[in-house]
Amino acid sequence: GNSVTQMEGPVTLSEEAFLTINCTYTATGYPSLFWYVQYPGEGLQLLLKATKADDKGSNKGFEATYRKETTSFHLEKGSVQVSDSAVYFCALSDQGGSYIPTFGRGTSLIVHP
Amino acid sequence: GAVVSQHPSWVICKSGTSVKIECRSLDFQATTMFWYRQFPKQSLMLMATSNEGSKATYEQGVEKDKFLINHASLTLSTLTVTSAHPEDSSFYICSATQLASETQYFGPGTRLLVL
Repeated sequence: GNSVTQMEGPVTLSEEAFLTINCTYTATGYPSLFWYVQYPGEGLQLLLKATKADDKGSNKGFEATYRKETTSFHLEKGSVQVSDSAVYFCALSDQGGSYIPTFGRGTSLIVHP
Repeated sequence: GAVVSQHPSWVICKSGTSVKIECRSLDFQATTMFWYRQFPKQSLMLMATSNEGSKATYEQGVEKDKFLINHASLTLSTLTVTSAHPEDSSFYICSATQLASETQYFGPGTRLLVL
């Protein structure tokens, strides 16, 4: 079956530091990959996505590249802000037609001023 | 675009009562809606998948008679927690997708507290 593994948090950084949150996946087909962000007390918001190998998703300074050879989709940002503090979820969607998503456990990011 | 709303945003109820949570897609037709449950500091647990006009598909371990899901139209799905107990207290989140799209649009969540 499909699975998503994320690095455990919390990840604690100072403002303007470089961020990497690792995500690897296992899938039987060719999934689409997503990063969602959840701010405190809110639902999830789509941050970025990539649908095929070597695609790079980007949004709000965040980037992630679909690496089929390493089955990874690591999230990066060059300079984090306090407002980036949230929980980040890596997810995949089976393109086989069901679109039922598989989520990672989430990684909490805390950015200090 | 692609906004999903949930109502209520939070609810407190007595043990034994039933609670209905609404999930609406405001500016698109949602052929499929998902219901999740999230425990503190944990990931989302998919409870069920519902397609408009058909019965919901429940994940293993989720009681369908306990968590009634109705997807009567392309813009509305409801989750009713029947005879709620304190262990049902949780954050419930819905999401919706459009036809042949894999991107999910999430509602803001409903926090349920059963006393």
